[in-house]
Amino acid sequence: DTAVSQTPKYLVTQMGNDKSIKCEQNLGHDTMYWYKQDSKKFLKIMFSYNNKELIINETVPNRFSPKSPDKAHLNLHINSLELGDSAVYFCASSQGGQGGYTFGSGTRLTVV
Amino acid sequence: EDKVVQSPLSLVVHEGDTVTLNCSYEVTNFRSLLWYKQEKKAPTFLFMLTSSGIEKKSGRLSSILDKKELSSILNITATQTGDSAIYLCAVINDYKLSFGAGTTVTVRA
Repeated sequence: DTAVSQTPKYLVTQMGNDKSIKCEQNLGHDTMYWYKQDSKKFLKIMFSYNNKELIINETVPNRFSPKSPDKAHLNLHINSLELGDSAVYFCASSQGGQGGYTFGSGTRLTVV
Repeated sequence: EDKVVQSPLSLVVHEGDTVTLNCSYEVTNFRSLLWYKQEKKAPTFLFMLTSSGIEKKSGRLSSILDKKELSSILNITATQTGDSAIYLCAVINDYKLSFGAGTTVTVRA
């Protein structure tokens, strides 16, 4: 059983399109995250949700909108995709934000 | 702004060598420091350090935290080609995990 699963694994799309990435965790964690890893492999937090409530929004353009329908799901919708959005996006979860972070296998987004 | 700095950025060693990776941090409300290994896909968890001076070991890997110096080291002894990866240091504070830029380790046969 995959603990944190993301779909799709790969996404190639044209500039200006709107796309979504889905994430689900079956660990019973109460906190979920989206991280962006750029071409230099630097992982940076984008959003954090605790019990479906947004608690961290790290100056991400408002073209990015996370949605958490329940504690086990955190989806990421991106409007008007730009070339600079190309990256690997990782979903993660933890219990209480204090440890035991588990990462999904990532979604490689390529905007052409 | 929270900062997590790793050094070196990259290194190349031969099988059997020992490597030491460094991580220093400046964050508010520090909770814990974590080490991850990233090969092709998701970062995989290695260690979580919360208390100063207590070494954690897993096989040939070990790590220790120095809260006075705001730093941690990760040691890998008797390196193997399978240890080639990016090693990420991250700090937990205020409901988020802040990462350093990583150290790319290449182990040559």
